[in-house]
Amino acid sequence: QLVLTQSPSASASLGASVKLTCTLSSGHSSYAIAWHQQQPEKGPRFLMKLNSDGSHSKGDGIPDRFSGSSSGAERSLTISSLQSEDEADYYCQTWDTGIRVFGGGTKLTVL
Amino acid sequence: EVQLVESGGGLVQPGESLRLSCAASGFIVSSNYMNWVRQAPGKGLEWVSMIYSSGTTYYADSVKGRFTISRDNSKNTLYLQMNSLRAEDTAVYYCAREGASTVGRFDPWGQGTLVTVSS
Repeated sequence: QLVLTQSPSASASLGASVKLTCTLSSGHSSYAIAWHQQQPEKGPRFLMKLNSDGSHSKGDGIPDRFSGSSSGAERSLTISSLQSEDEADYYCQTWDTGIRVFGGGTKLTVL
Repeated sequence: EVQLVESGGGLVQPGESLRLSCAASGFIVSSNYMNWVRQAPGKGLEWVSMIYSSGTTYYADSVKGRFTISRDNSKNTLYLQMNSLRAEDTAVYYCAREGASTVGRFDPWGQGTLVTVSS
């Protein structure tokens, strides 16, 4: 079964960096994922598509502060130089034929 | 500008039906994969349904047999017909484009429409 696992919460200080992780279920470590950001009271926004080799393609207007990396079944989103507007929920998402799957989301608090 | 605008949400009683619309601008709905995703109050995102550019449709197990995704090419609009609604279908419903050549990339998303199922 295709499942994505995320930590429920994370926090980091203004100006610092934070790494959010999404783990693919067993047998699915070669799958690509996408990261989406949802700021409070807003709809989701596509951030990037992240492949198993760590290559990624970002959405239009996504700052260079957002980057992705991969290691085995883990897919990570790193946000550097944290800003207040980065405080949001972050969801990873993957896919297979006829199915799309979201992780449970990570709530990022900027201290 | 590439944009999606949902409408049709509202308050309905359990067992009733509702049809959501997602009007697209700046691209052709039928040339893309299109998805519906919902978010229950205070919860995460849940994929609901998708339609391929070929017209093939897929559904999450939680809505299979009750919801139907469709599109009107002349109106460049995506729909979600929801029948036999339950309290657990209460959520904000978003539509999202997924390019046929950029599978997995949900971009853009609409602003969402709220469906409340309650007696």
